[in-house]
Amino acid sequence: GENVEQHPSTLSVQEGDSAVIKCTYSDSASNYFPWYKQELGKRPQLIIDIRSNVGEKKDQRIAVTLNKTAKHFSLHITETQPEDSAVYFCAASRGGGFKTIFGAGTRLFVKA
Amino acid sequence: NAGVTQTPKFQVLKTGQSMTLQCAQDMNHNSMYWYRQDPGMGLRLIYYSASEGTTDKGEVPNGYNVSRLNKREFSLRLESAAPSQTSVYFCASSDTGGDYGYTFGSGTRLTVV
Repeated sequence: GENVEQHPSTLSVQEGDSAVIKCTYSDSASNYFPWYKQELGKRPQLIIDIRSNVGEKKDQRIAVTLNKTAKHFSLHITETQPEDSAVYFCAASRGGGFKTIFGAGTRLFVKA
Repeated sequence: NAGVTQTPKFQVLKTGQSMTLQCAQDMNHNSMYWYRQDPGMGLRLIYYSASEGTTDKGEVPNGYNVSRLNKREFSLRLESAAPSQTSVYFCASSDTGGDYGYTFGSGTRLTVV
């Protein structure tokens, strides 16, 4: 079946450094790729998303890139801050479909 | 505007007991979902409801049933709880299917002993 692989599972960076999380998806029909942030004990929250007709999208310190040929997409966080510490999930879904597949998550630690 | 509201927040069940998790959204979303979250396994889809009046199985439906009571409410029932169902359960909603991001509820931490 379809799956989404996410790497690394844990990432530790110094405050101010950049963090990159990578995902690979298997369903070539996927065309919507959201990213969620989950703080400890809280609900996942959508932080950014990208559609297959776009190669890159930015929102302040976060950006997402998509390579449809390679079926890769990545989350980039620049100038990391302690409040960026959380678990980040990538996901992929088909347009009009209802089965969004999530990656296993990346636990990001930002050290002050 | 509460978004997605789940009850209860915590529950302990004995093996074989039954319970219903409640979920309601006030965003007029068409689609609703139930996920379970286990350590190291991300979020796995149990059941979803594409629109009012329809429900369908996700990745891990065994041991669960759902009811889309109306456009706002989508409940998840465990008929005979098993220790393997110990998990955090999240309800979510979206405007239309997989084209839009989800709004999640605050979760229900369920322990089956």
